[in-house]
Amino acid sequence: QVKLQESGPGLVKPSQTLSLTCTVSGGSIRSSGYYWSWIRQNPGKGLEWLGYISYSGTTSYNPSLKSRLIISADTSKNEFSLKVSSVTAADTAVYYCARASSRYSSSSLEFDPWGPGNLVTVSS
Amino acid sequence: DIQLTQSPSFLSASVGDRVTITCRASQGIGSYLGWYQQKPGKAPKLLIYGASILQGGVPPRFSGSGLGTEFTLTIDSLQPEDFATYYCQQLNSYLPITFGQGTRLEIK
Repeated sequence: QVKLQESGPGLVKPSQTLSLTCTVSGGSIRSSGYYWSWIRQNPGKGLEWLGYISYSGTTSYNPSLKSRLIISADTSKNEFSLKVSSVTAADTAVYYCARASSRYSSSSLEFDPWGPGNLVTVSS
Repeated sequence: DIQLTQSPSFLSASVGDRVTITCRASQGIGSYLGWYQQKPGKAPKLLIYGASILQGGVPPRFSGSGLGTEFTLTIDSLQPEDFATYYCQQLNSYLPITFGQGTRLEIK
C-alpha cells in the first residue's frame, strides 16, 4: 500500500522560497503510469492543483502559478519536492502531495492516495 | 480554466436520508469528473471518477451521474461517517485540473 508523507518548514517569510518534500513508501516513484502531484488548500480558494512530476520525469504546472513553481524528484530517495518562490500571505495553505493516475482514460488524472498534509504559513 | 460550481454549499441532513450534491462545469467536460470526501483535519479521499465509477472500497450507497456540464453525487441512506465535505474535480489533464468549492454535509 503506497503511503505519502509531506515534510518541510511550517513557517516561511514573505518573498522567500517555500520548499516541501514528499516521501513515498510502499511503491516506487518510477512506477509507470503515475504522476506525483502537489495540491494545496486554503480557506479562501479551496483546493488548488499546483502540478506534477511523472514517473518519467516530465513536469506539468498550473498555468496560474507556473512561473513560481518547480517540482523535482530524487529517485534514489523515492521522494519528490516542491519549491514555490517569492511567497506572499496568499500562499499560506495546507500543502498535500498525492499520487495521480489515469484510471478513467489516458488523459485523466485522479488523485489517490494523498499525504496527510503540511500546513505552511507565510508570515514575517 | 474550467470552473466547477457546487450546490448547495451547505447541506443539513439526518442519518438514513438520501442526499444529492450537484456540480456544474463552465463548459462541457464529458465524463471527466471525480468526487472526493474530506473529513476535518484529513486529506481528501477519492470516491468516484469518470462521473460514475466507484473507487475500490467505497460503499455502494455512494453513486455519481452526469455528462457534459451537470453532475450529481448521491448518497443513499446516510451513515454517521458520511458527514464530511465533498468536492468535485475536473479530471482532464489537457486542461488545468480544477476543483469545486466544496459542499459541507452536516448532521441535522
